[in-house]
Amino acid sequence: GAVVSQHPSRVICKSGTSVKIECRSLDFQATTMFWYRQFPKQSLMLMATSNEGSKATYEQGVEKDKFLINHASLTLSTLTVTSAHPEDSSFYICSARGTDYLGYEQYFGPGTRLTVT
Amino acid sequence: GEDVEQSLFLSVREGDSSVINCTYTDSSSTYLYWYKQEPGAGLQLLTYIFSNMDMKQDQRLTVLLNKKDKHLSLRIADTQTGDSAIYFCAETPIRNNRKLIWGLGTSLAVNP
Repeated sequence: GAVVSQHPSRVICKSGTSVKIECRSLDFQATTMFWYRQFPKQSLMLMATSNEGSKATYEQGVEKDKFLINHASLTLSTLTVTSAHPEDSSFYICSARGTDYLGYEQYFGPGTRLTVT
Repeated sequence: GEDVEQSLFLSVREGDSSVINCTYTDSSSTYLYWYKQEPGAGLQLLTYIFSNMDMKQDQRLTVLLNKKDKHLSLRIADTQTGDSAIYFCAETPIRNNRKLIWGLGTSLAVNP
C-alpha cells in the first residue's frame, strides 16, 4: 500500500513555456502533499507544503507565482512551473502523507525530471 | 536550529556490513528516518525509529539511536551490490511535525 505516482516521469520543454507535474496518491487519501526539488548529487529541498483545499505554504526563497501548486482533491496535487527557464531544470519529487498511517510518515513519488532548453 | 549531517561517501565490499552514520541537532525530534534513493529514482522509505526507541531491526537493517549524542546509524548486514544507492537520514522536529529535515545523503558504493 501507500503508493504515490508522478506524471510525467520526464519532460523536456522550451524556455518560456509552462509545465504541469501531477502527483497522485493511489491507495490512500493524502491530506498533505509536499513538493521537493533535488539538484544533482544534492539533498532534497522542500519547496512547498500543500493541504487539500487550502493554499500551499511555500518555503523561503521559493517564488509562489512561478511554482503554482494546486491540491484540489485528497488524491491529487499539481505543480506548474510557469515561464520555465533553463535554471528550473531539476528533479522534482512529491511526497504525500495521509492520516491512516503513522502520523509522520511520508510516501514519495518516483520523481519528474524537467529539462528546459 | 535544525540540522542533519551525514558523511558523503562510503565504500564497502560485497558481503561486508555497512554502517551509515547521521547526527542531528534538534533534540525534540519525534521520528527519524532512513530513505534510499537509487540513481534517477525517487525515494524509498527503508525504516524509521521513534525517538523513545534505542534500536530497531528489520531483516538486514538495524537502526541504532543514541538520543543523548543525537546520533543515528543504519547498519546493513551482508551488503549486496543492489544496496548501492544514496541513503538519506531525515528527522521530524516535534514543533513542525509536517516537515522533514534532510541530511545531504551518503553515497554507498558496494564493490564486488
